[in-house]
Amino acid sequence: GQQVQQSPTSLVLQEGENAELQCNFSTSLNSMQWFYQRPGGSLISVFYNPSGTKQSGRLTSTTVIKERRSSLHISSSQITDSGTYLCAMDAGNYKYVFGAGTRLKVIA
Amino acid sequence: ETAVFQTPNYHVTQVGNEVSFNCKQTLGHDTMYWYKQDSKKLLKIMFSYNNKQLIVNETVPRRFSPQSSDKAHLNLRIKSVEPEDSAVYLCASSLMGGPEVFFGKGTRLTVV
Repeated sequence: GQQVQQSPTSLVLQEGENAELQCNFSTSLNSMQWFYQRPGGSLISVFYNPSGTKQSGRLTSTTVIKERRSSLHISSSQITDSGTYLCAMDAGNYKYVFGAGTRLKVIA
Repeated sequence: ETAVFQTPNYHVTQVGNEVSFNCKQTLGHDTMYWYKQDSKKLLKIMFSYNNKQLIVNETVPRRFSPQSSDKAHLNLRIKSVEPEDSAVYLCASSLMGGPEVFFGKGTRLTVV
């Protein structure tokens, strides 16, 4: 079936370091989305990125649909970036398939 | 700003009870979803509805039944809860089954 692989599963950064989160999709997809979730918090859309590169502040997402992958780059990480980052693919059949997430912890 | 509203935020109940969760979206979308998020943060789709019609039902136990009165509302009823039903239930919506999906804040169910 359709699968979404995220790497790394967890990451610890010193404040100010950069991070690169990866998402790979097992099948072709129409589009994808990155989400952020704090412990006990709601799911917040970070990027809707069907293709190409998008930037918002310190966050940059690059999706290469033909290669079935997407990345999320966090520059100059801050403690408030800590949480779980989830990617999801829209496979075109009225459902989004999610990866297991990357748990990010930024320490001082 | 939240445009997918879920109630209640939390619910604690005993095994065997019936529970109902409500979801409403004000985005004018035609597709709504229920997802279940377990303790390991894994998100799995349960149901998709498009214009009040069930589109996706992902091998969910029969005690779960979605109810849609119109395309802006999708409720979830669990007839006789079991301990493994403890999770966060997330409602979402999108336009025409994609491409961008918006989530509510979730309902945390604890079955004791």
